[in-house]
Amino acid sequence: QKEVEQNSGPLSVPEGAIASLNCTYSDRGSQSFFWYRQYSGKSPELIMSIYSNGDKEDGRFTAQLNKASQYVSLLIRDSQPSDSATYLCAVKVGELVFGTGTRLLVSP
Amino acid sequence: EAQVTQNPRYLITVTGKKLTVTCSQNMNHEYMSWYRQDPGLGLRQIYYSMNVEVTDKGDVPEGYKVSRKEKRNFPLILESPSPNQTSLYFCASSLVGRNTEAFFGQGTRLTVV
Repeated sequence: QKEVEQNSGPLSVPEGAIASLNCTYSDRGSQSFFWYRQYSGKSPELIMSIYSNGDKEDGRFTAQLNKASQYVSLLIRDSQPSDSATYLCAVKVGELVFGTGTRLLVSP
Repeated sequence: EAQVTQNPRYLITVTGKKLTVTCSQNMNHEYMSWYRQDPGLGLRQIYYSMNVEVTDKGDVPEGYKVSRKEKRNFPLILESPSPNQTSLYFCASSLVGRNTEAFFGQGTRLTVV
């Protein structure tokens, strides 16, 4: 059984702070890792992908991957109220397996 | 514009009345899949298809059927819907390969009464 685990939250941070979202996965054969953002009632949209160990930065977002620990995280710097959404971690092992998502609330 | 199109966006139906939710993509993707999303349960895969005429069960296939007669289309069929199939449904597509992202349709909110 391929599993992707996320804390459901909500994770509450003040505007301007760093939000840290975490995800663990069970299958060591996992090849690719993705973070999707989903606003309520809307479809998921890709914000970051990472394929090798280490950090990958894109604007205010940084994805971190540690395959030895089977851990992937997403950091959002200078969090904005518009970042309030559910963040889905997805892991590709053949098919794409999603975690249940972490709800992020950024307060003004 | 590259997109995945689902129809209808909203549907209310009665128990037992067959329905089809259509999904079409214009990106020439080989891989297509259907998910349902329920509160607290995240996205759960119903069926997926690696290419034309190739379909496989996901985690929650009971009560659903799919077909892949053409590369661009992947309809989801509920032969006899029941209230426990009330959910938000998403179709997604991607290229086959490990470093390829999935693109999602707008979603279909289905209510079975």
